[in-house]
Amino acid sequence: KNQVEQSPQSLIILEGKNCTLQCNYTVSPFSNLRWYKQDTGRGPVSLTIMTFSENTKSNGRYTATLDADTKQSSLHITASQLSDSASYICVVSPGAGKSTFGDGTTLTVKP
Amino acid sequence: SAVISQKPSRDICQRGTSLTIQCQVDSQVTMMFWYRQQPGQSLTLIATANQGSEATYESGFVIDKFPISRPNLTFSTLTVSNMSPEDSSIYLCSVGLAGTEAFFGQGTRLTVV
Repeated sequence: KNQVEQSPQSLIILEGKNCTLQCNYTVSPFSNLRWYKQDTGRGPVSLTIMTFSENTKSNGRYTATLDADTKQSSLHITASQLSDSASYICVVSPGAGKSTFGDGTTLTVKP
Repeated sequence: SAVISQKPSRDICQRGTSLTIQCQVDSQVTMMFWYRQQPGQSLTLIATANQGSEATYESGFVIDKFPISRPNLTFSTLTVSNMSPEDSSIYLCSVGLAGTEAFFGQGTRLTVV
């Protein structure tokens, strides 16, 4: 069964600190892995999309890594800001067929 | 990239009524996806809508409850029929990129009273 597990479920950090979110998956075959940021009451916004051959991709203060061998990904947020408070969702796609969504990590950045 | 306009952004509806949600994309796309996100949970795929064919529904979702239209490559609607409080959720449309969803609308927050 295809699964995507994210950890931690929730995280509270102080403004300016860094943090790392984890995503482990068992989806097979693998086409791409995406990280989304979802603000409360809004639709998800894509942060990064990585294919099998990519192991790092950055988008501003967000850096995603992918280890396709161990089927793990991480999202590192540098110098966090209050606006980073959101849910971060990891999604893995097999290419053809339905994507598998993680349950998300809720990040709260406090001043 | 694709810009998706979804409306209404929110609505409060009486039980037993129906609500149609519209999704407009600024470019032609083959696949459009409809999701439901219940409070505190991640997204659940309702159906995949391809232009010119019947929508494909996921387990637990049926056409009578969630009829979908896809009249052209830039537009789709999802109707939530005969609503009950259990249908209170955020409903999202998404468009495909290379065969998978990539861009989401802002969502429709539905409350059924």
